[in-house]
Amino acid sequence: GIQVEQSPPDLILQEGANSTLRCNFSDSVNNLQWFHQNPWGQLINLFYIPSGTKQNGRLSATTVATERYSLLYISSSQTTDSGVYFCAVDRNDMRFGAGTRLTVKP
Amino acid sequence: NAGVTQTPKFRILKIGQSMTLQCTQDMNHNYMYWYRQDPGMGLKLIYYSVGAGITDKGEVPNGYNVSRSTTEDFPLRLELAAPSQTSVYFCASSPGQGAGLVFGPGTRLTVT
Repeated sequence: GIQVEQSPPDLILQEGANSTLRCNFSDSVNNLQWFHQNPWGQLINLFYIPSGTKQNGRLSATTVATERYSLLYISSSQTTDSGVYFCAVDRNDMRFGAGTRLTVKP
Repeated sequence: NAGVTQTPKFRILKIGQSMTLQCTQDMNHNYMYWYRQDPGMGLKLIYYSVGAGITDKGEVPNGYNVSRSTTEDFPLRLELAAPSQTSVYFCASSPGQGAGLVFGPGTRLTVT
């Protein structure tokens, strides 16, 4: 099956800092999504982004499908950004990476 | 719109017991999924369905069964619970390929 690798596995930031999270995948995909899992376990869809670039406030994402990677940018991080960020790819079904655990310190 | 609802929220099972995790969505989504998340890990796909009457295995289907008799409901059945099935179970739905997943709040299951 398709492999999804996320890096870094852990990231600690000071409030206000910027960060880039990466998702590599091993084969062509129909769909790529980024999710945030908050400290209470709730999963929220951030972006549906099979290719190109999207922005939503302080978050943006870029997927380069031909090179099989996606990047999630978080600017001016806030403590509420803490949690785990997952990318998921869809070939015939939706497969998740292991996630990046982000801790933003005040 | 309640979105995706899951019951129960928590459950403790003894080894060998059976149970059904319920999942219902009211968004008329065709696609539904079951994932499990072990502590500190990512989500693993158990089963998925692209419409009523159609189900397919995911990465980790052993020990589970599903059915999809209606668009709204996608129950997950554990027949003989084992400690390795201790996990948080998430149900999700989407309108189809090319659309975002909507997750339920999860069911925390402990098998002892």
